[in-house]
Amino acid sequence: AQRVTQPEKLLSVFKGAPVELKCNYSYSGSPELFWYVQYSRQRLQLLLRHISRESIKGFTADLNKGETSFHLKKPFAQEEDSAMYYCALRGEGSNYKLTFGKGTLLTVNP
Amino acid sequence: DGGITQSPKYLFRKEGQNVTLSCEQNLNHDAMYWYRQDPGQGLRLIYYSQIVNDFQKGDIAEGYSVSREKKESFPLTVTSAQKNPTAFYLCASSAHTRGPNTEAFFGQGTRLTVV
Repeated sequence: AQRVTQPEKLLSVFKGAPVELKCNYSYSGSPELFWYVQYSRQRLQLLLRHISRESIKGFTADLNKGETSFHLKKPFAQEEDSAMYYCALRGEGSNYKLTFGKGTLLTVNP
Repeated sequence: DGGITQSPKYLFRKEGQNVTLSCEQNLNHDAMYWYRQDPGQGLRLIYYSQIVNDFQKGDIAEGYSVSREKKESFPLTVTSAQKNPTAFYLCASSAHTRGPNTEAFFGQGTRLTVV
């Protein structure tokens, strides 16, 4: 079975403050991890994936297999970062399905 | 214009009636998914299909049915057996491989209200 846990439903920070959205997963094989974002009135879209090890809009996420975590971080939050963030895991082979966490609503206050 | 299209955007049905939600993609993706999005519940997987003529139940398949007769299409039927059908439904598609450029693309969703 595969499971994704996002412990925070809501996260509120001030502009310019660091932000970290937590994600833990459970999967026995070799997963692919993603962060998706949903801005107000827009489609759910990919923010970044662990395999690319990239920084998108200032966000980074590192896959920690020992702690089974994939936390999303940004050193200086901006108001336009306010959105719903979902962590997702894709399995392999017959478990190719894409499983999402419950999401964290990030609010960046001016 | 490539993408994934769900229709209709809003759907109203009377209790006890079956209703089918449409999902079409022209991205040449093998894999397609249906999710239900409820406040505080995130996205819960209803059904997914890795290839034409094949599909598997997700975590909350009871009361739903799907078909995958064509690569481009993955319709979802919400049956009268679904106890709480009022929700926002999202369809997605992706390549059936791992690695770069294999992320899922999402439709704009269908909001179903059963009265």
